[in-house]
Amino acid sequence: TAGITQAPTSQILAAGRSMTLRCTQDMRHNAMYWYRQDLGLGLRLIHYSNTAGTTGKGEVPDGYSVSRANTDDFPLTLASAVPSQTSVYFCASSDGQGSLTDTQYFGPGTRLTVL
Amino acid sequence: AQSVTQLGSHVSVSEGALVLLRCNYSSSVPPYLFWYVQYPNQGLQLLLKYTSAATLVKGINGFEAEFKKSETSFHLTKPSAHMSDAAEYFCAVRVYSSASKIIFGSGTRLSIRP
Repeated sequence: TAGITQAPTSQILAAGRSMTLRCTQDMRHNAMYWYRQDLGLGLRLIHYSNTAGTTGKGEVPDGYSVSRANTDDFPLTLASAVPSQTSVYFCASSDGQGSLTDTQYFGPGTRLTVL
Repeated sequence: AQSVTQLGSHVSVSEGALVLLRCNYSSSVPPYLFWYVQYPNQGLQLLLKYTSAATLVKGINGFEAEFKKSETSFHLTKPSAHMSDAAEYFCAVRVYSSASKIIFGSGTRLSIRP
C-alpha cells in the first residue's frame, strides 16, 4: 500500500498567494494530522481531524485551514502565505480516533518556501 | 501540561559504540511516550512507544528505551551503533487534554563515525 502521499513534494510560493497542500491516505485511518517542522523546534501540530467531518486546532493553527470531507483526504490551505510559513509540512494519520496509545504514520513531507 | 526535553541537539558516536539519546518528560499524569526516527528527506517513523505495560520498551532496529519515573526520563539506547542509524531522533509525549495531540521534542541528530 502507498500509505500516505503528499503533494507537491516542494513548492516556492510568492507571499500573499494561496496554496493547498494535499494529503491522501489509503489505510482507512480515522484520524489525520498536519505538522510543520522547523529547525530546532521539532514538529508542531497545526490542525487535526479525529474523523471525517470534524477538525480541531493544534499548537500553531493561525494562517492555516483544513477540511475533512472524507476519510482519505485532509488538505491544508494557506489563504495568504507569509514568509514565516516557510517550513516542511508533514501529514500523518493514526488508526484510532486519537486514543492515547495511537501510533501516527507520517507522509514524506512537502517543503514550502514563501518569498 | 505535558512536555519533553531532548538533551543534546547533536550526538556523534563511533560505529559499534553505545548510542544514548536523552529525553526527559514533564507530566502530572502517567505519560504516554514515543520515539520517532527521521531519515534524511523522509517522514517520521515510529521506533517504539511506552504505554505503561512495561518500563523497558524494545523497538525496531535494535533500539530500546527505559521509562524511569523517578528520573522523569525515557532515554533511547542501542548497544552497538551502525552507520545506517544516522538520522534525526524525536522524543514525543501524548497530550492528555486532547488525545489527538503529540508534543515533539526538538530532536537529536545522530551521526556515526566510521
